[in-house]
Amino acid sequence: AQKITQTQPGMFVQEKEAVTLDCTYDTSDQSYGLFWYKQPSSGEMIFLIYQGSYDEQNATEGRYSLNFQKARKSANLVISASQLGDSAMYFCAMREGASGSARQLTFGSGTQLTVLP
Amino acid sequence: KAGVTQTPRYLIKTRGQQVTLSCSPISGHRSVSWYQQTPGQGLQFLFEYFSETQRNKGNFPGRFSGRQFSNSRSEMNVSTLELGDSALYLCASSFSSVQRTANYGYTFGSGTRLTVV
Repeated sequence: AQKITQTQPGMFVQEKEAVTLDCTYDTSDQSYGLFWYKQPSSGEMIFLIYQGSYDEQNATEGRYSLNFQKARKSANLVISASQLGDSAMYFCAMREGASGSARQLTFGSGTQLTVLP
Repeated sequence: KAGVTQTPRYLIKTRGQQVTLSCSPISGHRSVSWYQQTPGQGLQFLFEYFSETQRNKGNFPGRFSGRQFSNSRSEMNVSTLELGDSALYLCASSFSSVQRTANYGYTFGSGTRLTVV
């Protein structure tokens, strides 16, 4: 079974509007971390936001927020006020295990976001 | 401070050859992980090094190997290249084996794009 599922291969959003990118995950660990990365065409993976499994508040970083629903095992990324520069591939990723015990990220297949002027 | 530096940025090799890629982590970071990104398989974990020791390895054949030096710089080597090894190879560095910071400090480089012909 896939550990990280991103069901939206491509998304379009109008400039200045908000957009939600979906991510569901599967793990039996109680302690895990969820990440969102942005990958422009240049290839570099840019960290956007992180949510720990024990964090009670949804994470926010500027225009990015993470809608964390633990019971549903979902960690959707919300981008508010989209900008043309937000056009890129977005990856959801998970690190399983307690701090220090597991050190690899498992990535979803990504969502290609295009912001329209 | 300087980010994660990967060299070279682009590489073209012939089937059967071998290749060595380099990754210099952020100063002070002791953990280096490698990922392979292809259109078909997405992002896959190769291996992770900490203090010159390989701690974790993904499901790749033995043709893929790596090492880490005392200054935390890491190299990965692919021997007997196959066409399917064409990919973007990403390196990520992080601070410590015990990740106490919220986002666990995974910082990626811009990658090396390897083309095997």
